[in-house]
Amino acid sequence: AQKVTQAQTEISVVEKEDVTLDCVYETRDTTYYLFWYKQPPSGELVFLIRRNSFDEQNEISGRYSWNFQKSTSSFNFTITASQVVDSAVYFCALSEGSGYSTLTFGKGTMLLVSP
Amino acid sequence: DAGVIQSPRHEVTEMGQEVTLRCKPISGHNSLFWYRQTMMRGLELLIYFNNNVPIDDSGMPEDRFSAKMPNASFSTLKIQPSEPRDSAVYFCASSFRASGDEKLFFGSGTQLSVL
Repeated sequence: AQKVTQAQTEISVVEKEDVTLDCVYETRDTTYYLFWYKQPPSGELVFLIRRNSFDEQNEISGRYSWNFQKSTSSFNFTITASQVVDSAVYFCALSEGSGYSTLTFGKGTMLLVSP
Repeated sequence: DAGVIQSPRHEVTEMGQEVTLRCKPISGHNSLFWYRQTMMRGLELLIYFNNNVPIDDSGMPEDRFSAKMPNASFSTLKIQPSEPRDSAVYFCASSFRASGDEKLFFGSGTQLSVL
């Protein structure tokens, strides 16, 4: 069975600080996909990134970066120079690659960025 | 392009009443998912459809919950009779196909309060 653990329930930082959100996953499949979604105060979930299990290259998108390490089953998310608008709940999710597959979400990390 | 549309945004009802939540997926998407979000359990998949056919309803809590997808552009989630423990945010999501690498597009959710 697949499982996603986000050990940090809540993180508070001051604007311009860097912050890393941790995600650890469990799966028995060799083919799987990892995702991050953002849930701002307005409530909807917004897709941020998707990685497959065969691509361990780190990815950077503006102030966002993701570090995928199969050796530690982790897919961590770093926000550089955080801004108030980054305040949201961030979810890490996993789906296995065979046939019909659905997302299993972690419990989420609430990030609060204060001015 | 319109995203996933859910209605109502908020629903307050009394215990024992029937509740119907509605969802219009993104046009062209053939997979639809219903999730429930609570503080205690996070985001849980209730049921998902592929080409209007229910594929997996193992997440539906009990017989009081039912979901239908009569056509590609409409789905309902019904709770009858509702109970206070059903209070949660219910999300509908759609994707182009139901495979593991597909990202989901979420609606804004329905905040359900059962008194």
